[in-house]
Amino acid sequence: SQQGEEDPQALSIQEGENATMNCSYKTSINNLQWYRQNSGRGLVHLILIRSNEREKHSGRLRVTLDTSKKSSSLLITASRAADTASYFCATDEKGGSEKLVFGKGTKLTVNP
Amino acid sequence: KAGVTQTPRYLIKTRGQQVTLSCSPISGHRSVSWYQQTPGQGLQFLFEYFSETQRNKGNFPGRFSGRQFSNSRSEMNVSTLELGDSALYLCASSFERGGDEQFFGPGTRLTVL
Repeated sequence: SQQGEEDPQALSIQEGENATMNCSYKTSINNLQWYRQNSGRGLVHLILIRSNEREKHSGRLRVTLDTSKKSSSLLITASRAADTASYFCATDEKGGSEKLVFGKGTKLTVNP
Repeated sequence: KAGVTQTPRYLIKTRGQQVTLSCSPISGHRSVSWYQQTPGQGLQFLFEYFSETQRNKGNFPGRFSGRQFSNSRSEMNVSTLELGDSALYLCASSFERGGDEQFFGPGTRLTVL
């Protein structure tokens, strides 16, 4: 069953704009991760934020985590056409389950 | 460092057949996880192996099985294929924990006719 639920399911923006995707989850976590997938290919890890962290940056990416609300957001600034992809959040549930539970993803389209 | 490799990349089978997919993790990684991705169900966890032992299993029927070898390479097997098994099968490796950052292979696209 899905742990994370991304919102929105699809997002279409113009190049240069910022894109924000949200993720909500249900249980206590060790960490939350964001991945990108280009059309039908393997996933690429973007960023990992631990449960005791509130914000993390990597290049044009900014991730926030609110454990009290069980939610996270991914902000991509100054988007480019190459950012067009599906973005997934994944949670590492507390309790040593040794697996990631993925949401259904947000499909981002950046128009040139 | 070479990335995660999966073979074959594409596969077409008919109902009732069986299939074996292979995954070679990044050198030094001991945890290998398998996921099934379909448009309807999204990414579903199949199982995770560590040091040749299945450490965790998802909610899939017994037709889905796997194993890991001493060199950390892993295989998954699906017997008595059904149309609904058509999917992208993704393998991912990590250094130790299945919940840590995962490095994914390109996937095997299985089509069951």
